[in-house]
Amino acid sequence: DTEVTQTPKHLVMGMTNKKSLKCEQHMGHRAMYWYKQKAKKPPELMFVYSYEKLSINESVPSRFSPECPNSSLLNLHLHALQPEDSALYLCASSNWDVSRTDTQYFGPGTRLTVL
Amino acid sequence: ELKVEQNPLFLSMQEGKNYTIYCNYSTTSDRLYWYRQDPGKSLESLFVLLSNGAVKQEGRLMASLDTKARLSTLHITAAVHDLSATYFCAVVNAGGTSYGKLTFGQGTILTVHP
Repeated sequence: DTEVTQTPKHLVMGMTNKKSLKCEQHMGHRAMYWYKQKAKKPPELMFVYSYEKLSINESVPSRFSPECPNSSLLNLHLHALQPEDSALYLCASSNWDVSRTDTQYFGPGTRLTVL
Repeated sequence: ELKVEQNPLFLSMQEGKNYTIYCNYSTTSDRLYWYRQDPGKSLESLFVLLSNGAVKQEGRLMASLDTKARLSTLHITAAVHDLSATYFCAVVNAGGTSYGKLTFGQGTILTVHP
């Protein structure tokens, strides 16, 4: 099973709202990723968690706050977003460790619209 | 800084024809991926290429890797409409602290028409 699940599939929020995106994998992967993808562009890495610790933050604005409660779950908390943050948010996981890199498997994504 | 470039960015093909998408990358890496993305959907892993000279084939798609030239190709044979999608190559940043970080090419939007 190579499934990564994400909820919700669609989210519409105002600029003053607080919402969260959720990602889950049960493949035993120890690295999880958040990407942002604008239309007709490649995914852009936002955050990487490895072994439940934040390992990479690609200078993402603080209105995006990641959280990894356990090895299977990854959340992205959203607060005071801007309309330009509207995008497809993709979660991925891989069986990465220092000595190896494995394929990243992507979830179906959350389509976020900020009004 | 690792840069990944694909060409062409747009490809309109007739059914039954052959074509190749190219992926060049700027620094050493020994692992390259090809992903497919349908409109509004997520990314589906097609191939992982691990070493110089690696060749993988699945149906009408064949991918190859030349690490010396820092070049990968995705060859499409006898295209069919179902292959219409956006294709991304992605390269793993080398180094133990990369955490498997992928750098993507710009993507090639492939349209196959009758």
